[in-house]
Amino acid sequence: AQSVTQPDIHITVSEGASLELRCNYSYGATPYLFWYVQSPGQGLQLLLKYFSGDTLVQGIKGFEAEFKRSQSSFNLRKPSVHWSDAAEYFCAVGLSYNTDKLIFGTGTRLQVFP
Amino acid sequence: SQTIHQWPATLVQPVGSPLSLECTVEGTSNPNLYWYRQAAGRGLQLLFYSVGIGQISSEVPQNLSASRPQDRQFILSSKKLLLSDSGFYLCACSQTGGFEKLFFGSGTQLSVL
Repeated sequence: AQSVTQPDIHITVSEGASLELRCNYSYGATPYLFWYVQSPGQGLQLLLKYFSGDTLVQGIKGFEAEFKRSQSSFNLRKPSVHWSDAAEYFCAVGLSYNTDKLIFGTGTRLQVFP
Repeated sequence: SQTIHQWPATLVQPVGSPLSLECTVEGTSNPNLYWYRQAAGRGLQLLFYSVGIGQISSEVPQNLSASRPQDRQFILSSKKLLLSDSGFYLCACSQTGGFEKLFFGSGTQLSVL
């Protein structure tokens, strides 16, 4: 069955430090992959997505993610974290291009210290 | 662009009480609508989706039901809440297909006591 694993429940980094959030998926077909961010009291906001082509994708707010088929991974990175990046981050796999159904990971809560 | 209105933001209900969560969408017509839930320690799980008025697909067996009485209204209901219904409920909408225009509401935190 399809699944998404985010092994890190909670990550704490200092402002200005680099960041990598891990995501592994299990899906038989070519995946549609997404990263969403949720700030407190807000809905989910799409950071970036991968459908095909270049395996390194750029997103908003300075985030990027790299699709590695051999590792079934889609890790999210940012070279220098800002305090405003503190939020919960969700990785997701798209099941059906026609229905927009997604499977989400359990999320990683990012805390940023000044 | 689409706007999703979801209320209330937080809700505390006793076990056995009924539930009605409403989601309305502005700025689009004939959207696909979704209800997701995040239980403690789990990812967001798709509960229901709807491709049109009166058309509801259930993804997992549960104590909840959904209805779509109008094109841009999606309601999540329960006749008798269980403790296990506690969680964070998100409504989402999209244009048909492509993942390009999938939007989420701000969610409702439901605590069943």
